[in-house]
Amino acid sequence: QKEVEQDPGPLSVPEGAIVSLNCTYSNSAFQYFMWYRQYSRKGPELLMYTYSSGNKEDGRFTAQVDKSSKYISLFIRDSQPSDSATYLCAVHNTDKLIFGTGTRLQVFP
Amino acid sequence: DTGVSQDPRHKITKRGQNVTFRCDPISEHNRLYWYRQTLGQGPEFLTYFQNEAQLEKSRLLSDRFSAERPKGSFSTLEIQRTEQGDSAMYLCASSSLQGSHTQYFGPGTRLTVL
Repeated sequence: QKEVEQDPGPLSVPEGAIVSLNCTYSNSAFQYFMWYRQYSRKGPELLMYTYSSGNKEDGRFTAQVDKSSKYISLFIRDSQPSDSATYLCAVHNTDKLIFGTGTRLQVFP
Repeated sequence: DTGVSQDPRHKITKRGQNVTFRCDPISEHNRLYWYRQTLGQGPEFLTYFQNEAQLEKSRLLSDRFSAERPKGSFSTLEIQRTEQGDSAMYLCASSSLQGSHTQYFGPGTRLTVL
């Protein structure tokens, strides 16, 4: 079993839709949970991180962690074509990051 | 602050050749990380440095791979006797000592081994 599981998609939504991206993880000891955005042939860009359980909001983006079910979510409100990218979830494990496979998102006008 | 930079951005080489990549981290960051990303996968950890000390190496880092950070600033990753399976995006990231959960990535070096 992989330590972080993520549906690779692709996920295609119309502009303005609410997008929900999800990951599961295996080790209950993980405390920090990150979301990165990666455009084609570019490096990952840190969107936000959450410590332990709860929600964190930044503009149109909300990250949510449910430690009881080992579930990580990223919600994007009012999605834009410029949000089209691959979204990677990651957990922090003793100084290194463990990533999911990434979900490819396409937002069409 | 110009962020993490990597050079070259693209490298095409023939099987059996040696290649070297360079990473310049964010200037105030003590920690520097190398990851490898293949198509359709997330980045996988290779190794990391705290200042000039290499503190951890993944089992993915075979004997043909070596990384250095001699003065605690920039780092190099060398692959000897490249194989086609080495074709991937090599990503460098950096973080502060206290903020290793917030790692900032460079644009990557895309390696193609023919």
